[in-house]
Amino acid sequence: QITLKESGPTLVKPTQTLTLTCTFSGFSLSTSGVGVGWVRQPPGKALEWLALIYWDNDKRYSPSLQSRLTITKGTSKNQVVLTMTNMDPVDAATYYCAHGRRGDGYYFDYWGQGTLVTVSS
Amino acid sequence: EIVLTQSPATLSLSLGQRATLSCRASQSVSSYLAWYQQKPGQAPRLLISNVSNRATGIPARFSGSGSGTDFTLTISSLEAEDFAVYYCQQRSDWPWTFGQGTKVEIK
Repeated sequence: QITLKESGPTLVKPTQTLTLTCTFSGFSLSTSGVGVGWVRQPPGKALEWLALIYWDNDKRYSPSLQSRLTITKGTSKNQVVLTMTNMDPVDAATYYCAHGRRGDGYYFDYWGQGTLVTVSS
Repeated sequence: EIVLTQSPATLSLSLGQRATLSCRASQSVSSYLAWYQQKPGQAPRLLISNVSNRATGIPARFSGSGSGTDFTLTISSLEAEDFAVYYCQQRSDWPWTFGQGTKVEIK
């Protein structure tokens, strides 16, 4: 059974760096053909794809946010970390991590519950 | 960046009616298009991948079609649990993008 859960601060100040951790179970990010990505959703708005890391450590980012985003495998084998620098109130959103696999074209077939991040001084 | 435009923004229908949702891409995405369902307070759920492949556990009343730039999600007979927001997503080119969503509401 695949599960994912996001964790991190619920409130950050403008200009600070946000660090979110995705802790997962039921699969290994060392297995060929597996990926973990991040998607965010501002309140009442649409989904926005942010970043993806593959089992082989290949990474992809949204170009509009690439200069501010870093996705890495965590120190624990079952974690992925997303950092976003220079946070702004427009970055307030629910942040989701999700699993994808090559067999399904890396569409996100399992999602975390999401974590709501507020940006305010 | 490939822009996905979904229409209509809101679809008001009754139980048992057929729902037809549209997703149009700003350039061809071949068959690399998926549909997700999202209910309030929940994470999205993958319904369909690569235009027409239903994900595990998705009822047969959900079907997808299309190619290139024009795609359709059809719900053949709406059930109470189908009232939600639906998003299309392309993975043809980086960055992967989502549409802005279609809300299916009870009439």
